[in-house]
Amino acid sequence: DIQMTQSPSSLSASVGDRVTITCRASQGIRHDLAWFQQKPGKAPKRLIYDASSLQSGVPSRFSGSGSGTEFTLTISSLQPEDFATYYCLQHDSYPPTFGQGTKVEIK
Amino acid sequence: EVQLVESGGGLVQPGGSLRLSCAASGFTFSTYWMHWVRQAPGKGLVWVSRISTDGSRIGYADSVKGRFTISRDDGKNTLYLQTNSLRAEDTAVYYCVRGSSMDVWGQGTTVTVSS
Repeated sequence: DIQMTQSPSSLSASVGDRVTITCRASQGIRHDLAWFQQKPGKAPKRLIYDASSLQSGVPSRFSGSGSGTEFTLTISSLQPEDFATYYCLQHDSYPPTFGQGTKVEIK
Repeated sequence: EVQLVESGGGLVQPGGSLRLSCAASGFTFSTYWMHWVRQAPGKGLVWVSRISTDGSRIGYADSVKGRFTISRDDGKNTLYLQTNSLRAEDTAVYYCVRGSSMDVWGQGTTVTVSS
């Protein structure tokens, strides 16, 4: 199975900060990576697909980049509603695997 | 509106069974691979099972293989997960999810395995 190593596991940031979350795959996954946001008690919501494509309706402050084994989710200017847990998912190789999550907290 | 609605969760004793259902609407269900993903309390997301559009390709996480069975009824636009021989570690919210890149999620149904 492909291991997805997400970092950091948590971070504290202020409104307006630029935030970057990284996912590293244990082997190449081309561009088959998605990013999700999950708020407490809610289902995950897809933000980014194909590593860098923005899901319809998602604010443009969210962006994704990378290919192969290293991927990044960037929030250009953190907003109050962005405090949540973020997960990456690789679906290039069976079985699909998630990163362990990054909790973004208020500083 | 594209929607997935899970049901069938509940409290069950160790060794018991539950059948989870996921009703799909707002899209052509038969054209999508479907997945079950679960999340134990306070933990991350874990893939559980998948089924292809025609039901011929099915896969399971090692932790549930031999105990869980995924199926689909395209006439009813419904995905199922039969869960048998349940263990405490199966306690989780179970999500029904659409497609390989998991673009649509249901609200989840909670399974609690406890005596």
